[in-house]
Amino acid sequence: EPEVTQTPSHQVTQMGQEVILRCVPISNHLYFYWYRQILGQKVEFLVSFYNNEISEKSEIFDDQFSVERPDGSNFTLKIRSTKLEDSAMYFCASSESGANYNEQFFGPGTRLTVL
Amino acid sequence: AQSVTQPDIHITVSEGASLELRCNYSYGATPYLFWYVQSPGQGLQLLLKYFSGDTLVQGIKGFEAEFKRSQSSFNLRKPSVHWSDAAEYFCAVGLLSGAGSYQLTFGKGTKLSVIP
Repeated sequence: EPEVTQTPSHQVTQMGQEVILRCVPISNHLYFYWYRQILGQKVEFLVSFYNNEISEKSEIFDDQFSVERPDGSNFTLKIRSTKLEDSAMYFCASSESGANYNEQFFGPGTRLTVL
Repeated sequence: AQSVTQPDIHITVSEGASLELRCNYSYGATPYLFWYVQSPGQGLQLLLKYFSGDTLVQGIKGFEAEFKRSQSSFNLRKPSVHWSDAAEYFCAVGLLSGAGSYQLTFGKGTKLSVIP
């Protein structure tokens, strides 16, 4: 069964460093998403991406964040200069289309720890 | 703005007992509602979703949920819990956004423990 994969499973970085979180969505999917969950808090929407551009972003997704689909398979989230409060679990998701609220398939997440 | 409340942080039930996980939402229009489950080390998996029509929705793994507009609720139920149902359960509201995509607003989740 196809699934969304994410690497690494755990990333530890120093404050101020750049990190890139990687995701491989399901191959025929067209819509891609990033969510995050700070420990003990809700899963929060960050950004959606379609047709090689951002279609929606939340207020969390400021200039420190960027997304890219560098090739036909990967979807990345870059945090340019990490802050302590960026420590969270980051989930990638993909869906075949947006119509009929088609299911978003989630990856297992990357736990980011900023020291 | 839409919001989702799951009032129970942790629930423990005995195997074979019935289960109801509560979810209340706040949303100005007709809500699109989802239940996801997350097992340790796994991603979120969709259990069921409600768009319109029949207010009782059947999902995978024997789960069902009932949409009650008057109570702004979308509670998840299962008549007989199995040990493998131990996981964290998330209720979510979908909001259609640009270019046909939609974003999910999640509750904080309810952790389910099952006693053998």
